[in-house]
Amino acid sequence: KAGVTQTPRYLIKTRGQQVTLSCSPISGHRSVSWYQQTPGQGLQFLFEYFSETQRNKGNFPGRFSGRQFSNSRSEMNVSTLELGDSALYLCASSLVPGDRSNQPQHFGDGTRLSIL
Amino acid sequence: DAKTTQPNSMESNEEEPVHLPCNHSTISGTDYIHWYRQLPSQGPEYVIHGLTSNVNNRMASLAIAEDRKSSTLILHRATLRDAAVYYCILSPTGPGRAGSYQLTFGKGTKLSVIP
Repeated sequence: KAGVTQTPRYLIKTRGQQVTLSCSPISGHRSVSWYQQTPGQGLQFLFEYFSETQRNKGNFPGRFSGRQFSNSRSEMNVSTLELGDSALYLCASSLVPGDRSNQPQHFGDGTRLSIL
Repeated sequence: DAKTTQPNSMESNEEEPVHLPCNHSTISGTDYIHWYRQLPSQGPEYVIHGLTSNVNNRMASLAIAEDRKSSTLILHRATLRDAAVYYCILSPTGPGRAGSYQLTFGKGTKLSVIP
């Protein structure tokens, strides 16, 4: 069974540009969450999508946005990139949330974004 | 969300058991205890989770204290592949959480395995 797939694996951008990252969840998983990981702040929750709707959002500026498609695939976008946006961006998927705490999340290996 | 406390680092010899502790004194009655680990250059990997009773799976065992204020992840025979950062996370459920799933990661415990 294929795992969570994130593309691209590595990306280099310059300040002021925008970027779009892609995530394909495990087949049958309809909930997709995004996280940012940096050495200083660790793993931080960005947002979660389920049934093409954003269900929860972390404490990040509006430059960070996302969306989910009808096939559950998700994209996140960062506009007006800043040096501090350099990080590993992780996507995780889980089954349809019923008793959500009983559902583990399955993570991809992330997209390493470097801002020059 | 309730907070967890873990040691910053631990060491274990290869093929010996490892007990990774986690304190969560402010846990609520409906919080599940989840463990994830992150190997170098990879995303976090689900290990195990439980609510009240001890749990076992092919990767590890989870021992939960009777008052649920602490738990221990047990790796029965450490291998070099188990060297990773281990995260203990509380995942709340219940009314008001509909359609929302958010994991709050702390700094975790960095486990080193000595050959």
